[in-house]
Amino acid sequence: DTGVSQDPRHKITKRGQNVTFRCDPISEHNRLYWYRQTLGQGPEFLTYFQNEAQLEKSRLLSDRFSAERPKGSFSTLEIQRTEQGDSAMYLCASSLALEDTQYFGPGTRLTVL
Amino acid sequence: GENVEQHPSTLSVQEGDSAVIKCTYSDSASNYFPWYKQELGKRPQLIIDIRSNVGEKKDQRIAVTLNKTAKHFSLHITETQPEDSAVYFCAASIRAGKSTFGDGTTLTVKP
Repeated sequence: DTGVSQDPRHKITKRGQNVTFRCDPISEHNRLYWYRQTLGQGPEFLTYFQNEAQLEKSRLLSDRFSAERPKGSFSTLEIQRTEQGDSAMYLCASSLALEDTQYFGPGTRLTVL
Repeated sequence: GENVEQHPSTLSVQEGDSAVIKCTYSDSASNYFPWYKQELGKRPQLIIDIRSNVGEKKDQRIAVTLNKTAKHFSLHITETQPEDSAVYFCAASIRAGKSTFGDGTTLTVKP
């Protein structure tokens, strides 16, 4: 499968715990995006990278969220001290830098108890 | 920042009828407008897109129109089939950057 992959697909955690998600983009795609989607809403932008550089981060993103793409390939999204409001589907997408089309991964569903 | 509004939030049609979903955007710099179909528990799948230098694009039963002056774009599905039932999202982006999504339209096609 040469599409965008995400791991894990589901994560259940207790409030206050830290969680980390991984996204592997389509190879050759140098842009990588993270979005969050809650039930009944469209995906909401969190942050995006071009190669290893984080180009933009949503102002809605609290300091508990951090993302990395250390070698310009896969990316990780960490949420520290999770809260119940963090429960959502976390989607990753990738694209080529000069092309508009973003391809989405299957998402990681986070449930914070 | 960009704001995208999508209407209606729910749409029910009979099989074979047409369905139209409308979106408006706020940032005149937006130049790329994709439409995604998302089935329950699945990833958003791109179904059609349009760029700001084009007014209309068609792909079989699906078409998208763009009015840059009014800052709105629409998705048209003709000859709807039950398998078209899903949530549809519009989005807008600037120069291959982040996408801003509408809140989605739940389309139900009744057989």
